[in-house]
Formats: sequence, C-alpha cells, structure tokens
Amino acid sequence: QVQLVQSGAEVKKPGASVKVSCETSGYMFIDFYIHWVRQAPGQGLEWLGWINTNTGGTKYTQRFQTRVTMTRDTSISTAYMELRRLRSDDTALYYCARNLTNWGQGTLVIVSS
Amino acid sequence: QSALTQPRSVSGSLGQSVTISCTGTSNDVGGYNSVSWYQQHPGKAPKLMVYDVSKRPSGVPERFSVSKSDNTASLTISGLQGEDEADYYCCSYTGSNTWVFGGGTKLTVL
Repeated sequence: QVQLVQSGAEVKKPGASVKVSCETSGYMFIDFYIHWVRQAPGQGLEWLGWINTNTGGTKYTQRFQTRVTMTRDTSISTAYMELRRLRSDDTALYYCARNLTNWGQGTLVIVSS
Repeated sequence: QSALTQPRSVSGSLGQSVTISCTGTSNDVGGYNSVSWYQQHPGKAPKLMVYDVSKRPSGVPERFSVSKSDNTASLTISGLQGEDEADYYCCSYTGSNTWVFGGGTKLTVL
C-alpha cells in the first residue's frame, strides 16, 4: 500500500534551517507529485508547494518562495523540504502528501531560542 | 493567495445532516472543478474525503456529498455519526499550479 514516512521532530533556533524528508513506498515515485503542507499549532492547513518528482520542477507559494526549497532523490523514492531563516512562527507540523491524496504522518518543527 | 472562507464551527445531532461551505473567488473555487475536502481528527493527518468537486476515494461513505455553485463549494454530511466529529478543510486549485486551503471548520456531533 502507499506509504509516506517522514523524518522525526526537529528543534531549531531562529535563523537556522531545517530539512524534512518524506520516504515513499508502494507506488512508482516519479508518477506523482509530492506536495508540502504545514499546520501551526491549533491552526489550519497551509499549502507550501510541490515538486514534480519526475523532472524535479517545483512550484512554491509566493510567501515562501525565498525561503523554501523542495528536492527529491529518485534512487530512494524520497522527497525533501528545506526551510531556511526559521522564525518562531514557522513552528508547525509539516506534512508531505502524494498529489494531496495520501499523506505522511507529519514532522513537528519547533523554532525556539 | 488568501485562504478560502469556511465557517469556524458547525454542529448537528446524530443522524441529521450538516453542510459546510467553502467560499473563494472566480480565481479558485469558481474557476476550476478541482475542489477537495479533507477530514482531520485530533493528532492525525488529514484524510481525503472528496476530490474534483464530487468524487469520493474508495472507502469514503456516500453520506459525504459535495456541490458547487459559483464561487462556493459545500460539503454535506448526512446521517451524522459520532466518528464524523472532526475538523474539515476544503482545498482548491488556484491556477498557476498552486493550491489554497480553507481555514477549517470544526464539526461537533451532538
């Protein structure tokens, strides 16, 4: 069955970077886009962007364009999301999702001094 | 891109029906037949309930139905059950290969 397994929780200081991984299995990795979505504590879902896992092409939501990079490694069917210049309001659960259909379990990123 | 507008909360009694609205603009909800709905229980990842406005993934009960009129999509849950109590989010394609979510609606089953 389709599975997306994300990396573990991270605690970072303001100004640092974080890279979250999303290891997939159960389907052909390059056939589906991977989207990234985040959810701040007690808040709603926010779409961050996607990566075309076949070509490596990306599309980011405008307000994160200068701070986020999405990449993939097709040899291990894994997608990555890196967020730079972290701020306290970046504290959130970060989800990967195959075509916004199947979701990973989420990775908690805490930004605190 | 502003979030789609959903009511913060709705409630309904067991066995009854509730409708959750999702209002956007002609640049998102009204412009494309690419609205999806997600159910999220506390501490869990979102679960896709409906996509492309009215299609249900296998395993999602027919009690979950969707309609769309102009810039508003609506999710109706009929025959409310206790397990339906959750947060619900709509999501729409916005053009330019981007997506946007609604602010979420908390459904309480009385």
